[in-house]
Amino acid sequence: AQSVTQLDSQVPVFEEAPVELRCNYSSSVSVYLFWYVQYPNQGLQLLLKYLSGSTLVESINGFEAEFNKSQTSFHLRKPSVHISDTAEYFCAVTPSSNTGKLIFGQGTTLQVKP
Amino acid sequence: DAGITQSPRHKVTETGTPVTLRCHQTENHRYMYWYRQDPGHGLRLIHYSYGVKDTDKGEVSDGYSVSRSKTEDFLLTLESATSSQTSVYFCAISGGLAGPTDTQYFGPGTRLTVL
Repeated sequence: AQSVTQLDSQVPVFEEAPVELRCNYSSSVSVYLFWYVQYPNQGLQLLLKYLSGSTLVESINGFEAEFNKSQTSFHLRKPSVHISDTAEYFCAVTPSSNTGKLIFGQGTTLQVKP
Repeated sequence: DAGITQSPRHKVTETGTPVTLRCHQTENHRYMYWYRQDPGHGLRLIHYSYGVKDTDKGEVSDGYSVSRSKTEDFLLTLESATSSQTSVYFCAISGGLAGPTDTQYFGPGTRLTVL
């Protein structure tokens, strides 16, 4: 079985400051890793995903995440946040042999303050 | 945006009544999923479908049933709603061609309150 732990339920940060949202996972098999973002009153959107290859993956809006197999982590970072990044962020995994069933973490609310 | 609609968007019902939520897609995607979102739990998979009339259980399937008679529609039924099923329900779709690496696209959600 797989599980995902997001270590912070809320992360307050000032605009233009750097941020890291932490994600750890547990699995006995190889997995694919995802970050989804949910803006207020909307559904989830894919932010980025790690499948294989380079352990650093980037999104189009400046976020990046690094897969660390030894620490079973997939932390999300952004060097300078904007007010518009205020949202809830979900880390998720799926076993590489599965049909795409996602196991989500509890979510982290990023609150960007002016 | 992926063509996914959910209906109704909001519903208030009473304990013991049956409830059906509908997910409709215009993308002709093979896979469809129903999740529920609760504070402190993230999203949890209820049921999913890998084709017409092909469905399987997720991690929180008790009290829920699903049906998929057409590619574009995936129905979630609460046979006898309970207060513990008060939640926000999300439908998701994926093309399935790349299997587990496919991006899942989510609908706008249905907020269900069971009194």
